[in-house]
Amino acid sequence: QKEVEQNSGPLSVPEGAIASLNCTYSDRGSQSFFWYRQYSGKSPELIMFIYSNGDKEDGRFTAQLNKASQYVSLLIRDSQPSDSATYLCAVESGGYNKLIFGAGTRLAVHP
Amino acid sequence: ETGVTQTPRHLVMGMTNKKSLKCEQHLGHNAMYWYKQSAKKPLELMFVYNFKEQTENNSVPSRFSPECPNSSHLFLHLHTLQPEDSALYLCASSQDRGGYTFGSGTRLTVV
Repeated sequence: QKEVEQNSGPLSVPEGAIASLNCTYSDRGSQSFFWYRQYSGKSPELIMFIYSNGDKEDGRFTAQLNKASQYVSLLIRDSQPSDSATYLCAVESGGYNKLIFGAGTRLAVHP
Repeated sequence: ETGVTQTPRHLVMGMTNKKSLKCEQHLGHNAMYWYKQSAKKPLELMFVYNFKEQTENNSVPSRFSPECPNSSHLFLHLHTLQPEDSALYLCASSQDRGGYTFGSGTRLTVV
């Protein structure tokens, strides 16, 4: 069974700090990686995707991928209380565009 | 209507009832999915449809029966469910490798 592992948290950071969320995956053949944000009681919302090794930046978000280490991370700069949510890592595995999700990391940004 | 629409938002059903969940996507995507989300557990893939053909049944019990009449509509027919089937059921759609767009989900309670 292919797996995606995340620390469940909560990860608590002060407002304005950098939040670092990490994810490891077991399928070496995975090519596509996604980060979703899920607010309590809501459905997941796609915030970033990355296909190549290295960094990809979009506004305050940076996704980092290291396929050799089977590791994906998400950095959130200048964290805001509105960033408080559960962040889900998803990896394409076992089929075309079939996503396996981690259990998520809960992020709490406090003023 | 835009995005992915799911109905109903909430459903309470007895173990002997038969009900259906409906999903409609207005994005022109070619793939649709059913996921189950239980508390403290990762999203579990249930079914995958590509161009309205089922390409994945992730060992789901037969009391869950999917139907995809066309590439824009997806149903999940439910019968003789168990209390442990209570969860948030999420529909998603995708095009190629661009990640999923999720609907708002149906919160199902089996009594």
